[in-house]
Amino acid sequence: DTEVTQTPKHLVMGMTNKKSLKCEQHMGHRAMYWYKQKAKKPPELMFVYSYEKLSINESVPSRFSPECPNSSLLNLHLHALQPEDSALYLCASSHETVSGANVLTFGAGSRLTVL
Amino acid sequence: GESVGLHLPTLSVQEGDNSIINCAYSNSASDYFIWYKQESGKGPQFIIDIRSNMDKRQGQRVTVLLNKTVKHLSLQIAATQPGDSAVYFCAETIQGAQKLVFGQGTRLTINP
Repeated sequence: DTEVTQTPKHLVMGMTNKKSLKCEQHMGHRAMYWYKQKAKKPPELMFVYSYEKLSINESVPSRFSPECPNSSLLNLHLHALQPEDSALYLCASSHETVSGANVLTFGAGSRLTVL
Repeated sequence: GESVGLHLPTLSVQEGDNSIINCAYSNSASDYFIWYKQESGKGPQFIIDIRSNMDKRQGQRVTVLLNKTVKHLSLQIAATQPGDSAVYFCAETIQGAQKLVFGQGTRLTINP
């Protein structure tokens, strides 16, 4: 299995809702990522988990709460979002090559619309 | 057709022609560079990478060139095909680090 699977593919939520995005990989990768991508813009890093521990938080607002239940799963819990949070949320996982480089494999993304 | 850099977000080429997509990276400490392709409705897909101790690397129909002096990266695609239509992002990082930073992207359109 060489894929990163994200669910749901599309999500519409109100500003008072609580929802979660889910990500799964079975490649044995020990680092997992959340990126946010607005239309016609590059992906922007939000969070990195390494060996199931949060290693990078790019000053993301607390209304986004990541969780890594185990080495194969990554969740992003959403609460009290704003319309400007509408975007494509991309999950990725990575392994380190023998050269010391991290190669990221991305999922197809969850497209979020906040009303 | 040749891109003149990130100030030109779109590039149109005829099917079968070669295309060149350029990228100016920002961090002089970056030592590992990757090109990703993102098709509509999909996540970014790895194309090719290059380490800073190299100035050229070739893959299947693609070549990446790195000029560290001017912090410039380019992706050459030979004999473009309709399936090459996508947005192409360069990305930079420091080996061993987990933060991958993407450039602004170029949309490549292949005309029949």
